[in-house]
Amino acid sequence: GQNIDQPTEMTATEGAIVQINCTYQTSGFNGLFWYQQHAGEAPTFLSYNVLDGLEEKGRFSSFLSRSKGYSYLLLKELQMKDSASYLCAVSDSNYQLIWGAGTKLIIKP
Amino acid sequence: DAMVIQNPRYQVTQFGKPVTLSCSQTLNHNVMYWYQQKSSQAPKLLFHYYDKDFNNEADTPDNFQSRRPNTSFCFLDIRSPGLGDAAMYLCATSATATATSGANVLTFGAGSRLTVL
Repeated sequence: GQNIDQPTEMTATEGAIVQINCTYQTSGFNGLFWYQQHAGEAPTFLSYNVLDGLEEKGRFSSFLSRSKGYSYLLLKELQMKDSASYLCAVSDSNYQLIWGAGTKLIIKP
Repeated sequence: DAMVIQNPRYQVTQFGKPVTLSCSQTLNHNVMYWYQQKSSQAPKLLFHYYDKDFNNEADTPDNFQSRRPNTSFCFLDIRSPGLGDAAMYLCATSATATATSGANVLTFGAGSRLTVL
């Protein structure tokens, strides 16, 4: 079967750095997405990786290793507004998105 | 701004009373999706359309139906809501993924939160 694993919850301190991991097993691979979802709101797109390596976009970076079936989202200089769930999703061989359950990130002052 | 708009944002219904949720888009995307999301769970795909071609997920209950009368609009009908259908319903759109373009980003509406009494 197809599976996405990510931690259920993480806690970090304002101003710090946090890394949210995602491992996947899917039928084929056409890219990995990270979405941010604030409580009660819709997911919003953060990043897309289809090749191995690190993609940096401001305070957020996303890394992919296809051989390991592994990605992480790195958030730097954490702000209180970064408190949200972070969803990892993989596009499989049919371009269908397989979603993880999300990692709830709690930022403490 | 190009966007995806869902109505209503909040819907309260009684057990067994039908509801219709709507979604409109100004992005001119040919793919539209309906997801169900319960608290702390992954979004669950109910249906998607490639243009007018309807695709029903194998495990979507018959209680859920969908219509797409034109490119811009899509509706989700829940014929007889049960307590287990209380959830956030998310509409999303994307361009068609191809071998050249790769997978495409989904743009979500704000969601419709359904409460069943």
